[in-house]
Parts: sequence; structure tokens; C-alpha cells
Amino acid sequence: AQKVTQAQTEISVVEKEDVTLDCVYETRDTTYYLFWYKQPPSGELVFLIRRNSFDEQNEISGRYSWNFQKSTSSFNFTITASQVVDSAVYFCALSALGDNTDKLIFGTGTRLQVFP
Amino acid sequence: ETGVTQTPRHLVMGMTNKKSLKCEQHLGHNAMYWYKQSAKKPLELMFVYNFKEQTENNSVPSRFSPECPNSSHLFLHLHTLQPEDSALYLCASSQPAWGLTDTQYFGPGTRLTVL
Repeated sequence: AQKVTQAQTEISVVEKEDVTLDCVYETRDTTYYLFWYKQPPSGELVFLIRRNSFDEQNEISGRYSWNFQKSTSSFNFTITASQVVDSAVYFCALSALGDNTDKLIFGTGTRLQVFP
Repeated sequence: ETGVTQTPRHLVMGMTNKKSLKCEQHLGHNAMYWYKQSAKKPLELMFVYNFKEQTENNSVPSRFSPECPNSSHLFLHLHTLQPEDSALYLCASSQPAWGLTDTQYFGPGTRLTVL
């Protein structure tokens, strides 16, 4: 069975702090995608990144970075020097080939609050 | 218009009303999705359409009736809803999904309240 766990329900930080959002996934497939989405208070899910299972290189995009480790089935997301605009709910998601479904398996989300 | 649009953004309806939610994507995709997001619950996939054909229905009650007239438009027809159907309804689109879902792009959602 496919599963995504985001153990952190809510995180609060002060602006300029670094913060890491954890994501642990379960799948028996060797071919899969992992995603991160951001949901600000407006409601729209904003796509941040997609990673395929054959590419374990870490990725950096501005203040955002992602650490993909197959050995621990984790795909963690770090925001460096957080800003108030980063306040949102962040979702990690999984799509696996052997699932035979078009479903994205979402975690329950981590609410990030960045205080000025 | 760019991306995925949804109308209306907010909707209040009585249990005996009939209403429809509309989704339009301008990304050239051929797969479209309806999701339901209730407070304190994970995102729930409701329906999937690939090339206008429904390919998934996740045991959604018949009071929700989807329609996909073409690859750019998706509707969700609502009738005799219950208060527990109050939620944020999100539409998404992607390249055709045949078991390994590509990146889904979401609309802003319709916030539905059933009185």
C-alpha cells in the first residue's frame, strides 16, 4: 500500500529562521514520483517540486531545498531564512506506477506559521 | 486566463438546491480531477477524467455528478447535498495519467457551504 506521513502537524518559527518539513513515504514500487505543494490561506494548491524515484540529487531553488533519501524513504523540505509569506500548509504527495490508479497520495499536511 | 480556473469561488446552498461547479484549464492537459478538502481531513480524490472519459470514481455519493464535455472543462453538478458536504472543492489538471500521475496543477477551489 502507498502512504505518505507528515508527522509534524504544525510548526511555528520566527522570520529568518530555517525550518525543515518532514515527509516519509511508503511504496513497494521502484518507479514513483514525489511532490511538494503549498496551500496558502487562499486555498489553491501551488506546485513546488516533483522528484522521480531514479533521481536522488538534492535540489535547491532559491530559499527552498529538498533532500530525497531512498534509504530512509524520506523527502524533506527545508526553507532557509523563512519569511511571513511562507506561512501556509505544505503537502507532500506520492504517485506510484504499480498503484494502477491516477491518484496522488497526499500526506495530511504541515501548517507552517512564520511570525515577524 | 492562465492555469486552472474555478467558478464560483464561494457557494452557499440549501439541501434542496441544485448547483454546478465549473473548472476550466488553459494548460493543454487531457486529464482533470475533482478533489474534496474538508476541515481536518486529508485531501480526497473524487473523480478522474482522461481524454473526457471517467477513469476513476472513488465511491462518491450520487448526489455529486461530474461532467467533462471536453478536455478543458470539468463540471461538478450538485443536488440534495448534506451539511457534511460543506468543504473546499478543488479541481486539478495534468498530462494524461495512466497509472503514474504526472504533476497536477490546481485551481483556487470553490468553498461550498450547505445549510
